[in-house]
Amino acid sequence: AQSVAQPEDQVNVAEGNPLTVKCTYSVSGNPYLFWYVQYPNRGLQFLLKYITGDNLVKGSYGFEAEFNKSQTSFHLKKPSALVSDSALYFCAVRDVTGRRALTFGSGTRLQVQP
Amino acid sequence: GAGVSQSPSNKVTEKGKDVELRCDPISGHTALYWYRQSLGQGLEFLIYFQGNSAPDKSGLPSDRFSAERTGGSVSTLTIQRTQQEDSAVYLCASSSDGGTYNEQFFGPGTRLTVL
Repeated sequence: AQSVAQPEDQVNVAEGNPLTVKCTYSVSGNPYLFWYVQYPNRGLQFLLKYITGDNLVKGSYGFEAEFNKSQTSFHLKKPSALVSDSALYFCAVRDVTGRRALTFGSGTRLQVQP
Repeated sequence: GAGVSQSPSNKVTEKGKDVELRCDPISGHTALYWYRQSLGQGLEFLIYFQGNSAPDKSGLPSDRFSAERTGGSVSTLTIQRTQQEDSAVYLCASSSDGGTYNEQFFGPGTRLTVL
């Protein structure tokens, strides 16, 4: 079975400061990892993915994430937060050899204060 | 091009009634997924279609839930004899290669309220 944990229900950060949204995963084989963002009353939007290769993945809107196999983590980061980054963020995983559907974490609400 | 579309955007129904939710995937996408997002919770996988293969129904919570995909395109999720615990946002997603490498593109969802 595969699972994803997002240990923080909410992260608060001041505009201009760096932000980190944490994600850890569990799969039996190699993982494919994704981050999605959900703005109010809108569907999920893809931010970035890790498939293979470089552990540091760059995505949309200045976000990046670092794959750490030994810690089974895939934390989302941004060097300088914007108020417009305030949204609900979901980490997702699928096992390379397993079910094609994604397993999502419970989500982390990011609040960026001006 | 157009993204994934879903209809209706909102559906209010009475307990015990049947409902149908529709999803139009991105043209050419072979894979289609249904997820459910309950209030304050993450996304729960329901069912997955890939081309002409048998669908993966492993996420359907009960036999009241069913889905079909006609002509490899449009999909309908049917919930029979709705219960209050079925209230949620139902999200549809599609991807171009079964989701192996490519990300899934999500529709705006259908908010279902069962009174």
